[in-house]
Amino acid sequence: NAGVTQTPKFQVLKTGQSMTLQCAQDMNHNSMYWYRQDPGMGLRLIYYSASEGTTDKGEVPNGYNVSRLNKREFSLRLESAAPSQTSVYFCASSEAWGGISNQPQHFGDGTRLSIL
Amino acid sequence: GEDVEQSLFLSVREGDSSVINCTYTDSSSTYLYWYKQEPGAGLQLLTYIFSNMDMKQDQRLTVLLNKKDKHLSLRIADTQTGDSAIYFCAERNSGNTPLVFGKGTRLSVIA
Repeated sequence: NAGVTQTPKFQVLKTGQSMTLQCAQDMNHNSMYWYRQDPGMGLRLIYYSASEGTTDKGEVPNGYNVSRLNKREFSLRLESAAPSQTSVYFCASSEAWGGISNQPQHFGDGTRLSIL
Repeated sequence: GEDVEQSLFLSVREGDSSVINCTYTDSSSTYLYWYKQEPGAGLQLLTYIFSNMDMKQDQRLTVLLNKKDKHLSLRIADTQTGDSAIYFCAERNSGNTPLVFGKGTRLSVIA
Protein backbone atom coordinates (compact mmCIF):
# COMPACT_ATOMS: atom_id res chain seq x y z
CA ASN A 1 0.00 0.00 0.00
CA ALA A 2 1.89 3.05 -1.28
CA GLY A 3 -0.28 5.78 0.28
CA VAL A 4 0.69 9.15 -1.22
CA THR A 5 3.37 9.06 -3.94
CA GLN A 6 5.16 12.17 -5.15
CA THR A 7 7.40 12.49 -8.18
CA PRO A 8 10.10 13.55 -8.65
CA LYS A 9 11.87 13.37 -5.29
CA PHE A 10 14.49 15.97 -6.27
CA GLN A 11 14.65 18.59 -9.00
CA VAL A 12 16.89 21.50 -9.90
CA LEU A 13 15.51 24.17 -12.21
CA LYS A 14 16.76 27.40 -13.69
CA THR A 15 14.84 30.62 -13.10
CA GLY A 16 12.03 30.92 -15.63
CA GLN A 17 11.71 27.19 -16.35
CA SER A 18 8.39 25.43 -15.85
CA MET A 19 7.78 22.23 -13.96
CA THR A 20 4.91 20.01 -12.85
CA LEU A 21 5.07 18.12 -9.57
CA GLN A 22 3.00 14.96 -9.58
CA CYS A 23 1.05 13.44 -6.71
CA ALA A 24 -1.06 10.30 -6.61
CA GLN A 25 -2.87 8.57 -3.76
CA ASP A 26 -4.23 5.04 -3.66
CA MET A 27 -6.46 5.38 -0.57
CA ASN A 28 -9.58 6.50 -2.46
CA HIS A 29 -9.42 9.83 -0.63
CA ASN A 30 -11.62 12.67 -1.73
CA SER A 31 -9.47 15.62 -0.61
CA MET A 32 -5.92 16.47 -1.65
CA TYR A 33 -3.50 19.24 -0.70
CA TRP A 34 -0.21 20.84 -1.69
CA TYR A 35 2.08 22.41 0.93
CA ARG A 36 5.49 23.95 0.89
CA GLN A 37 7.88 23.68 3.83
CA ASP A 38 10.55 26.29 4.44
CA PRO A 39 12.90 26.59 7.44
CA GLY A 40 11.23 28.43 10.32
CA MET A 41 7.95 28.76 8.39
CA GLY A 42 6.42 25.37 9.02
CA LEU A 43 3.96 24.07 6.44
CA ARG A 44 2.11 26.54 4.28
CA LEU A 45 -0.86 25.49 2.21
CA ILE A 46 -0.56 26.36 -1.47
CA TYR A 47 -3.72 24.87 -2.98
CA TYR A 48 -6.21 22.20 -2.05
CA SER A 49 -8.93 20.16 -3.68
CA ALA A 50 -11.83 19.31 -1.41
CA SER A 51 -13.20 16.84 -3.92
CA GLU A 52 -12.67 15.76 -7.50
CA GLY A 53 -13.48 18.66 -9.80
CA THR A 54 -12.81 21.45 -7.29
CA THR A 55 -9.68 23.38 -6.37
CA ASP A 56 -9.16 26.31 -4.03
CA LYS A 57 -6.35 28.64 -3.08
CA GLY A 58 -4.57 28.23 0.20
CA GLU A 59 -2.28 30.61 2.05
CA VAL A 60 0.44 31.03 -0.61
CA PRO A 61 -0.98 30.33 -4.11
CA ASN A 62 0.89 32.97 -6.13
CA GLY A 63 3.17 31.52 -8.80
CA TYR A 64 1.44 28.12 -8.78
CA ASN A 65 -1.39 26.35 -10.54
CA VAL A 66 -2.98 22.99 -9.79
CA SER A 67 -4.98 20.36 -11.61
CA ARG A 68 -7.11 17.67 -10.01
CA LEU A 69 -6.74 15.25 -12.88
CA ASN A 70 -8.99 12.59 -11.35
CA LYS A 71 -9.75 11.31 -7.87
CA ARG A 72 -6.25 9.85 -7.47
CA GLU A 73 -4.05 12.58 -8.90
CA PHE A 74 -3.40 16.20 -8.00
CA SER A 75 -0.57 18.04 -9.76
CA LEU A 76 1.17 21.31 -8.93
CA ARG A 77 2.62 23.45 -11.71
CA LEU A 78 5.21 26.21 -11.57
CA GLU A 79 4.82 28.14 -14.83
CA SER A 80 7.92 30.33 -14.45
CA ALA A 81 10.07 29.19 -11.54
CA ALA A 82 11.65 31.78 -9.26
CA PRO A 83 14.38 31.32 -6.61
CA SER A 84 11.79 32.15 -3.91
CA GLN A 85 10.05 28.90 -4.84
CA THR A 86 13.02 26.84 -3.69
CA SER A 87 11.43 24.65 -1.05
CA VAL A 88 10.31 21.18 -0.10
CA TYR A 89 6.84 20.46 -1.48
CA PHE A 90 4.48 18.02 0.18
CA CYS A 91 1.31 16.53 -1.17
CA ALA A 92 -1.29 15.18 1.26
CA SER A 93 -4.70 13.56 1.08
CA SER A 94 -7.58 12.95 3.45
CA GLU A 95 -10.69 10.81 3.25
CA ALA A 96 -13.12 13.68 3.28
CA TRP A 97 -13.54 17.30 3.96
CA GLY A 98 -14.88 19.23 6.93
CA GLY A 99 -17.44 17.73 9.30
CA ILE A 100 -16.71 16.33 12.72
CA SER A 101 -15.29 12.93 11.93
CA ASN A 102 -11.60 12.24 12.29
CA GLN A 103 -10.00 12.75 8.91
CA PRO A 104 -6.26 13.00 9.29
CA GLN A 105 -4.15 14.00 6.37
CA HIS A 106 -1.67 11.51 4.96
CA PHE A 107 1.53 12.92 3.49
CA GLY A 108 3.90 11.97 0.71
CA ASP A 109 7.67 12.02 1.24
CA GLY A 110 8.13 15.37 -0.47
CA THR A 111 9.80 16.85 -3.53
CA ARG A 112 12.95 18.85 -2.90
CA LEU A 113 13.01 21.64 -5.47
CA SER A 114 15.93 24.05 -6.00
CA ILE A 115 15.67 26.98 -8.37
CA LEU A 116 18.91 28.64 -9.44
CA GLY B 1 -7.81 33.39 11.07
CA GLU B 2 -6.89 30.37 13.11
CA ASP B 3 -3.38 30.14 14.50
CA VAL B 4 -1.38 27.32 16.06
CA GLU B 5 1.76 28.13 18.05
CA GLN B 6 4.59 25.88 19.15
CA SER B 7 8.05 26.49 20.54
CA LEU B 8 10.66 25.77 17.89
CA PHE B 9 13.20 23.69 19.82
CA LEU B 10 13.34 21.19 22.67
CA SER B 11 16.34 19.24 23.90
CA VAL B 12 16.10 16.30 26.32
CA ARG B 13 18.34 13.52 27.59
CA GLU B 14 17.75 9.96 26.51
CA GLY B 15 15.46 8.21 28.99
CA ASP B 16 13.83 11.43 30.20
CA SER B 17 10.27 12.49 29.33
CA SER B 18 9.71 15.09 26.63
CA VAL B 19 6.78 17.47 26.70
CA ILE B 20 5.96 19.38 23.53
CA ASN B 21 3.41 22.16 23.91
CA CYS B 22 1.00 23.76 21.48
CA THR B 23 -1.56 26.53 21.76
CA TYR B 24 -4.32 27.28 19.28
CA THR B 25 -6.82 30.06 18.83
CA ASP B 26 -9.82 28.41 17.18
CA SER B 27 -12.46 27.71 19.80
CA SER B 28 -14.41 25.56 17.34
CA SER B 29 -11.58 23.01 16.98
CA THR B 30 -12.94 19.48 16.78
CA TYR B 31 -9.84 17.32 16.36
CA LEU B 32 -6.24 18.05 17.27
CA TYR B 33 -3.37 16.07 15.82
CA TRP B 34 0.29 15.40 16.41
CA TYR B 35 2.50 14.60 13.44
CA LYS B 36 6.15 13.52 13.41
CA GLN B 37 8.60 14.38 10.64
CA GLU B 38 11.90 12.54 10.50
CA PRO B 39 14.78 13.99 8.45
CA GLY B 40 14.16 13.78 4.72
CA ALA B 41 10.66 12.35 5.13
CA GLY B 42 7.06 13.47 5.06
CA LEU B 43 4.80 13.96 8.04
CA GLN B 44 3.55 10.88 9.82
CA LEU B 45 0.41 10.95 11.95
CA LEU B 46 1.33 10.03 15.54
CA THR B 47 -1.91 10.48 17.40
CA TYR B 48 -4.99 12.67 17.64
CA ILE B 49 -7.55 13.70 20.21
CA PHE B 50 -11.16 14.72 19.87
CA SER B 51 -12.06 18.02 21.49
CA ASN B 52 -14.40 16.46 24.06
CA MET B 53 -11.53 14.45 25.56
CA ASP B 54 -9.02 15.64 28.14
CA MET B 55 -6.42 12.95 27.70
CA LYS B 56 -5.42 10.16 25.38
CA GLN B 57 -2.67 7.62 26.01
CA ASP B 58 -1.05 5.46 23.38
CA GLN B 59 1.98 3.46 24.60
CA ARG B 60 4.73 6.02 25.31
CA LEU B 61 2.63 8.92 24.08
CA THR B 62 0.23 10.93 26.24
CA VAL B 63 -1.81 13.77 24.80
CA LEU B 64 -3.35 16.30 27.17
CA LEU B 65 -5.94 18.82 26.05
CA ASN B 66 -6.99 21.87 28.06
CA LYS B 67 -9.84 23.19 26.00
CA LYS B 68 -10.44 26.17 28.27
CA ASP B 69 -6.88 27.43 27.75
CA LYS B 70 -6.69 26.08 24.17
CA HIS B 71 -3.53 24.20 25.10
CA LEU B 72 -2.42 20.83 23.78
CA SER B 73 0.63 18.87 24.85
CA LEU B 74 2.38 15.70 23.75
CA ARG B 75 4.36 13.80 26.35
CA ILE B 76 6.83 11.16 25.21
CA ALA B 77 7.90 8.86 28.03
CA ASP B 78 11.40 7.32 28.09
CA THR B 79 12.54 9.41 25.12
CA GLN B 80 14.88 7.60 22.75
CA THR B 81 17.31 8.86 20.11
CA GLY B 82 14.86 7.60 17.48
CA ASP B 83 12.36 10.14 18.74
CA SER B 84 14.56 12.98 17.43
CA ALA B 85 12.39 14.67 14.81
CA ILE B 86 10.17 17.67 14.18
CA TYR B 87 6.74 17.42 15.82
CA PHE B 88 3.82 19.33 14.36
CA CYS B 89 0.61 20.18 16.12
CA ALA B 90 -2.45 20.63 13.87
CA GLU B 91 -6.09 21.42 14.44
CA ARG B 92 -9.29 20.94 12.50
CA ASN B 93 -12.50 22.83 13.08
CA SER B 94 -16.00 21.81 12.17
CA GLY B 95 -16.15 24.07 9.15
CA ASN B 96 -14.87 23.53 5.65
CA THR B 97 -11.22 24.35 6.13
CA PRO B 98 -8.04 22.29 5.89
CA LEU B 99 -5.95 21.42 8.92
CA VAL B 100 -4.03 24.34 10.42
CA PHE B 101 -0.46 23.40 11.34
CA GLY B 102 1.96 24.90 13.82
CA LYS B 103 5.53 25.63 12.69
CA GLY B 104 6.84 22.47 14.34
CA THR B 105 9.03 21.73 17.38
CA ARG B 106 12.43 20.21 16.70
CA LEU B 107 13.13 17.61 19.39
CA SER B 108 16.78 16.72 19.93
CA VAL B 109 17.54 13.73 22.14
CA ILE B 110 20.98 13.69 23.75
CA ALA B 111 22.49 10.29 24.46
